[in-house]
Amino acid sequence: AQTVTQSQPEMSVQEAETVTLSCTYDTSESDYYLFWYKQPPSRQMILVIRQEAYKQQNATENRFSVNFQKAAKSFSLKISDSQLGDAAMYFCAYRSRPGANSKLTFGKGITLSVRP
Amino acid sequence: DAGVTQSPTHLIKTRGQQVTLRCSPKSGHDTVSWYQQALGQGPQFIFQYYEEEERQRGNFPDRFSGHQFPNYSSELNVNALLLGDSALYLCASSWGALNTEAFFGQGTRLTVV
Repeated sequence: AQTVTQSQPEMSVQEAETVTLSCTYDTSESDYYLFWYKQPPSRQMILVIRQEAYKQQNATENRFSVNFQKAAKSFSLKISDSQLGDAAMYFCAYRSRPGANSKLTFGKGITLSVRP
Repeated sequence: DAGVTQSPTHLIKTRGQQVTLRCSPKSGHDTVSWYQQALGQGPQFIFQYYEEEERQRGNFPDRFSGHQFPNYSSELNVNALLLGDSALYLCASSWGALNTEAFFGQGTRLTVV
């Protein structure tokens, strides 16, 4: 079974600064997806970024980028130029391939606060 | 284009009762998954429905059951409610044939008293 570990329960960052959220996972599979989801107080999970394990290039989406280390089974999220709207819970998640009929396995999440 | 919609948004039930939660997937999606998120925790997979059948199931007792209708909407039923069933229940939809990301609804907050 796959597991996802987020060991930092809380982090804080100054507005406009950069912060990195850590995630490690365990799997015996060679092909899979990794995700970072954001959950604001509105409760709706919002996809931030996705990484396919077979791609060596780290994914980027505007101010969000990942550092994917497949051998180390590490998947961290870097948020640049932090904004007040980035304050939320962030979840790292794993999903097997092939096929879309597969579950997401989430970590426990990290609460990110942004100081003005 | 409406996203994933869930109803109701909040619900209070008494221990031992039964509850039904509803989910309408995003337009064009045919796969619905349900997750339970306890306070301060990450979501836990309950089950997934595709083509009106349960395709995958997480580690949840038989008190948790579901259904998918021909229009792809879905229901989650929980019988004999326990205090520990209090949680946010999230529905996620996707298109079954491709490895697309899941789109989530805003959840139903269930409180069992």
